[in-house]
Amino acid sequence: LAKTTQPISMDSYEGQEVNITCSHNNIATNDYITWYQQFPSQGPRFIIQGYKTKVTNEVASLFIPADRKSSTLSLPRVSLSDTAVYYCLVGAQKTGRRALTFGSGTRLQVQP
Amino acid sequence: GAVVSQHPSWVICKSGTSVKIECRSLDFQATTMFWYRQFPKQSLMLMATSNEGSKATYEQGVEKDKFLINHASLTLSTLTVTSAHPEDSSFYICSASLQRSGSYNEQFFGPGTRLTVL
Repeated sequence: LAKTTQPISMDSYEGQEVNITCSHNNIATNDYITWYQQFPSQGPRFIIQGYKTKVTNEVASLFIPADRKSSTLSLPRVSLSDTAVYYCLVGAQKTGRRALTFGSGTRLQVQP
Repeated sequence: GAVVSQHPSWVICKSGTSVKIECRSLDFQATTMFWYRQFPKQSLMLMATSNEGSKATYEQGVEKDKFLINHASLTLSTLTVTSAHPEDSSFYICSASLQRSGSYNEQFFGPGTRLTVL
């Protein structure tokens, strides 16, 4: 499985856009990129998944450059409730039957 | 849809006792479930893969005789921590795999179980 590297922590203020970048230099051709969010004492929650270019849903956008060696999770106008740990995962299936390998994640702290 | 529950949400027990944690897929059938463990300020670490009707596959370093996994039905997997010790205190999280139409599957996580061994 491709190894991922993310910043350990980030700080932001309410209303700002937050971009979290993940490096995955060894991503394989059939790997997808998936981001999860985890609040304290809760299980991870799926945010977004993509293969290339840009993906957008109601909570975030995912930008993937052509070489796919990195990806950026963009959270528009964060609020205090977005304070959480964000994990970038890379895997051969769309979060399927194989277990997920979680890296260290990025701890986002949103200030008022 | 696609909700996974865990019971109990937290448990405190004495050293040497056994604790059973249940993981249920509430509105779908899951042939594959996964058990993770998470220590404070750390990431999730896979413990084992549980397939309905067969023996679980344990990750290296996870004692199968200590962490008993039973996946007797398509909606229930249980993790029993036998003879628990303080070092087993952790946050245990399960996930269940749901097969969507077509070829791919999605994983959904339970809310976790906080185990504290005194």
